[in-house]
Amino acid sequence: QVQLEQSGTEVKKPGASVKISCKASGYTFTNYGITWVRQAPGQGLEWMGWISGYNGYTNYAQKFQGRVTMTTDRSTSTGYMELRSLRCDDTAVYYCAREGATPYAFDIWGQGAMVTVSS
Amino acid sequence: QSALTQPRSVSGSPGQSVTISCTGSSSNIGGSNYVSWYQQHPGKAPKLIIYDVSKRPSGVPDRFSGSKSDNTASLTISGLQAEDEAAYYCYSYAGTLFGGGTKLTVL
Repeated sequence: QVQLEQSGTEVKKPGASVKISCKASGYTFTNYGITWVRQAPGQGLEWMGWISGYNGYTNYAQKFQGRVTMTTDRSTSTGYMELRSLRCDDTAVYYCAREGATPYAFDIWGQGAMVTVSS
Repeated sequence: QSALTQPRSVSGSPGQSVTISCTGSSSNIGGSNYVSWYQQHPGKAPKLIIYDVSKRPSGVPDRFSGSKSDNTASLTISGLQAEDEAAYYCYSYAGTLFGGGTKLTVL
């Protein structure tokens, strides 16, 4: 079935980087984009950016410009999100979601990856 | 940009209807028909329940409906059921903004 499988829990120190993977299965990866969304503990959803599964074109939220890089590996149908210079307030669950089947909406979500930033 | 504005909480009894509003501006909700809604149960990933303001993905009950007027989108859940208790988030593709979320309690 159509699904997105994310990498596991990460614990990082302030200033470090984290790279989360999102492996797609059950659909043609290059036909859709991948959006990354995060959710701090007890808080709402925050859009981080989007990457095309077709050509790797990216669109990042201004808040994360310069600190985030989204990439894809079409050979393994996997998307990646790297966040650098981590701060304590980057502690959150990070989700990937498929965009495109339902235009401009996110119809399939990964299970989420918890990232804890603590000294 | 700030998040879209949603009430922090709403409640209703089983069988009743509730409406959750999502207010933005002409640069996001008011300027686009690409508004979607997500349901999130505790500890789970969000689930798409409405897209393009009022369309339902396959498998979503017709108890869930969406609409939009000017800068405000709305989600209505009719015939409330216990399993509808969750957080609900709106999203506007224009502006790439989520709402702050609304906690629905089924009394």
